[in-house]
Amino acid sequence: DTGVSQNPRHKITKRGQNVTFRCDPISEHNRLYWYRQTLGQGPEFLTYFQNEAQLEKSRLLSDRFSAERPKGSFSTLEIQRTEQGDSAMYLCASRRDRSLTGELFFGEGSRLTVL
Amino acid sequence: GNSVTQMEGPVTLSEEAFLTINCTYTATGYPSLFWYVQYPGEGLQLLLKATKADDKGSNKGFEATYRKETTSFHLEKGSVQVSDSAVYFCALVNTGGFKTIFGAGTRLFVKA
Repeated sequence: DTGVSQNPRHKITKRGQNVTFRCDPISEHNRLYWYRQTLGQGPEFLTYFQNEAQLEKSRLLSDRFSAERPKGSFSTLEIQRTEQGDSAMYLCASRRDRSLTGELFFGEGSRLTVL
Repeated sequence: GNSVTQMEGPVTLSEEAFLTINCTYTATGYPSLFWYVQYPGEGLQLLLKATKADDKGSNKGFEATYRKETTSFHLEKGSVQVSDSAVYFCALVNTGGFKTIFGAGTRLFVKA
């Protein structure tokens, strides 16, 4: 169990550029989540996968955001035409489908700064 | 909809002081309740949980009791340590749900 891995840990980009974040979940976890966290706030749900199927997207996720999870393994979150308001910590979490506790296992996050 | 409200921070305490961080929730059905903790430079991790009314979750000296009548899940610790300095998040997952909803977090500073 190597934990949830996210990269890059930090990304600084200019407004209008595209960025992509990657998440490698714990290997036997088939549910994968993306959250966004801004300063002083708790994590806000963005989207969720069960295996390779994206089952829900938050209204927070504009059409500039896209997430994929090919083959139900790692996931990517892409933000196109970044805006300053996209600056945040992007968190990935995973869990087993039939977890008795519902516990999420989080990565350390990818911090995005849009200049 | 489902939501979690927790007390604003920061909370600053001296070592060995008693800690309470208030958390109330709004949910349909019978949610499971959680406290997650985020230490500086680390990812969120589960601190404790309770899955039904009157359950008490406990870990590392922290406790919280699921109170359905007051829709609360307050976090307590009898004697805090400097190493408890972190941000604490109250959270819920609704019955049959897949999505964890978090509160805004409460930052705790413990002074030696």
